[in-house]
Amino acid sequence: GIQVEQSPPDLILQEGANSTLRCNFSDSVNNLQWFHQNPWGQLINLFYIPSGTKQNGRLSATTVATERYSLLYISSSQTTDSGVYFCAALPQTGANNLFFGTGTRLTVIP
Amino acid sequence: DAGVIQSPRHEVTEMGQEVTLRCKPISGHNSLFWYRQTMMRGLELLIYFNNNVPIDDSGMPEDRFSAKMPNASFSTLKIQPSEPRDSAVYFCASSKGLGGRAEAFFGQGTRLTVV
Repeated sequence: GIQVEQSPPDLILQEGANSTLRCNFSDSVNNLQWFHQNPWGQLINLFYIPSGTKQNGRLSATTVATERYSLLYISSSQTTDSGVYFCAALPQTGANNLFFGTGTRLTVIP
Repeated sequence: DAGVIQSPRHEVTEMGQEVTLRCKPISGHNSLFWYRQTMMRGLELLIYFNNNVPIDDSGMPEDRFSAKMPNASFSTLKIQPSEPRDSAVYFCASSKGLGGRAEAFFGQGTRLTVV
């Protein structure tokens, strides 16, 4: 299956700071999603972004499919942003399911 | 829509017992996935259904695991007999169309503890 790598593995931010999370994938993709797993374990959809740029409030994401990476931007971070951020990719050929990265654990301190 | 609904949210069982996890996908979605999340292996696919038919079960660990989808609105994942190493969070997800090409949505998960 496709390899999905996320960086950094851990990130600690002061409230109000900005951050960029990166997701690299090894093959061409038909789907790329970002999720936030909150402290209660729920997987919350952030972006469905196989290519291009999207914004939703303080969050935005960009996928450069030709270079096989995606970025998640968090601006003016809040304590409620804490949790684990996962990137998941569906390869163009072969499997029909999302493959997940190992996540970036974000801690926002007041 | 209520989203993907899983039950139970938490399950504690003794080794050797049968465990059944349940999932109701989002109405209109015809792809359903069961994933397992552990500290060691992260999130990994167990099985994928399309139009109620199992398409890829290569992630099912062993014969102790079985999954069914008797209709478009219900799926079960059964472990018999359960073992302590099965302890994990089990997620169900659904999407429209074929496989994961469309946006997938996850349920709240079932946290299984086998003692």
